[in-house]
Amino acid sequence: QVQLVQSGTEVRKPGSSVKVSCKASGDIFSRFSFSWVRQAPGQGLEWMGRIIPVFGTTDYAQKFQGRITITADESTSTAYMELSSLRSEDTAVYYCARGRYSDYWGQGTLVTVSS
Amino acid sequence: DIQMTQSPSSLSASVGDRVTITCRASQSISTYLNWFQQKPGRAPQLLIHDASSLQSGVPSRFSGSGSETDFALTISSLQPEDFATYFCQHAFRTPWAFGQGTRVEV
Repeated sequence: QVQLVQSGTEVRKPGSSVKVSCKASGDIFSRFSFSWVRQAPGQGLEWMGRIIPVFGTTDYAQKFQGRITITADESTSTAYMELSSLRSEDTAVYYCARGRYSDYWGQGTLVTVSS
Repeated sequence: DIQMTQSPSSLSASVGDRVTITCRASQSISTYLNWFQQKPGRAPQLLIHDASSLQSGVPSRFSGSGSETDFALTISSLQPEDFATYFCQHAFRTPWAFGQGTRVEV
């Protein structure tokens, strides 16, 4: 069955970077796009960006332009999201999701930004 | 960018009630609209895609309707496991924005 398994909890200091991974299994990785969505504590869902691995193309929400990099490694069926210049407001659970329907989601990765 | 506005932000209901949540897009998105359910501490789960297509495995009491700018998610007979937060999301063009969510509570 399809699974998206994300890397574990991260704690970072303000100004640093974090890189979260999302390993896909159970289907052909390159057939789909992969999005990253975050959820701050008690808040709603925020779409950050996506990658289409077969083309290597990315789209980012304007809010994150210049701070976010989404990549994919087809050889390991893994997507990555790196966010730099972290601030306390970036404390959130970060999810990866598959395709235009977001029919499968990773389990979420808690990123805490604190001095 | 296309904005999504959900209403209400929360609602109180009882088991067996018919519940409708609405979602409005700031411009036409055809039927590129998804609905998700999220329970505390869990990832969102896809219920409906393309405005009205029921995702495999989702109970038939969930249904979606609408096109262009106005959409609705209906739960025909609310069950105890349906108390959760619901989000709409467009996938017309990036950025794929979400609505702010509707909390369904007792």
